Amino acid sequence: ETGVTQSPTHLIKTRGQQVTLRCSSQSGHNTVSWYQQALGQGPQFIFQYYREEENGRGNFPPRFSGLQFPNYSSELNVNALELDDSALYLCASSGNNEQFFGPGTRLTVL
Amino acid sequence: AQKITQTQPGMFVQEKEAVTLDCTYDTSDPSYGLFWYKQPSSGEMIFLIYQGSYDQQNATEGRYSLNFQKARKSANLVISASQLGDSAMYFCAMREDNTGANSKLTFGKGITLSVRP
Repeated sequence: ETGVTQSPTHLIKTRGQQVTLRCSSQSGHNTVSWYQQALGQGPQFIFQYYREEENGRGNFPPRFSGLQFPNYSSELNVNALELDDSALYLCASSGNNEQFFGPGTRLTVL
Repeated sequence: AQKITQTQPGMFVQEKEAVTLDCTYDTSDPSYGLFWYKQPSSGEMIFLIYQGSYDQQNATEGRYSLNFQKARKSANLVISASQLGDSAMYFCAMREDNTGANSKLTFGKGITLSVRP
């Protein structure tokens, strides 16, 4: 096990709702990245947080936002959910050349 | 152009045999890192092996080795002595060190590996 945890494991929402996903990083890692993995695809980078500041963003709209807390845990917030937001959301904590992923949150938007 | 290319269709290998999973990449950054991850049906992304662009030796981790050919921009994963538990999706990913997000990974589309008993 990597020490990276995510909650919840599964989530079902309806279109237009808002969702918050949570991630606790591995001890000693101060960088957290979030990825979206659609079915049958590789993960796509959403954004990264380093010491509580956003430090890079992928091609995702502003309704995808995040936070990082002083203990380096992180949240991903998605507003105005769309059907295409249905995916596995992975967070990864990194340090040196390691990048360890959590088990993911599977979000279904109906 | 895609940054990470994994074009093999589903791969099959007999238990206890070796298998090579192909990955080519494209970058103009002289400093980068290459990763391989395993994703079983449970969904978790399991780190397997890392190769830095300046590393002189090919990376090895137990039964996993990375055949790094820098001039050809390829980073193939070799799994020796395949086991039934190796059946999973395998992703190649790259980190470019001179981008703003210093830990951003770009992934390929993945390869499905099935190990036959």
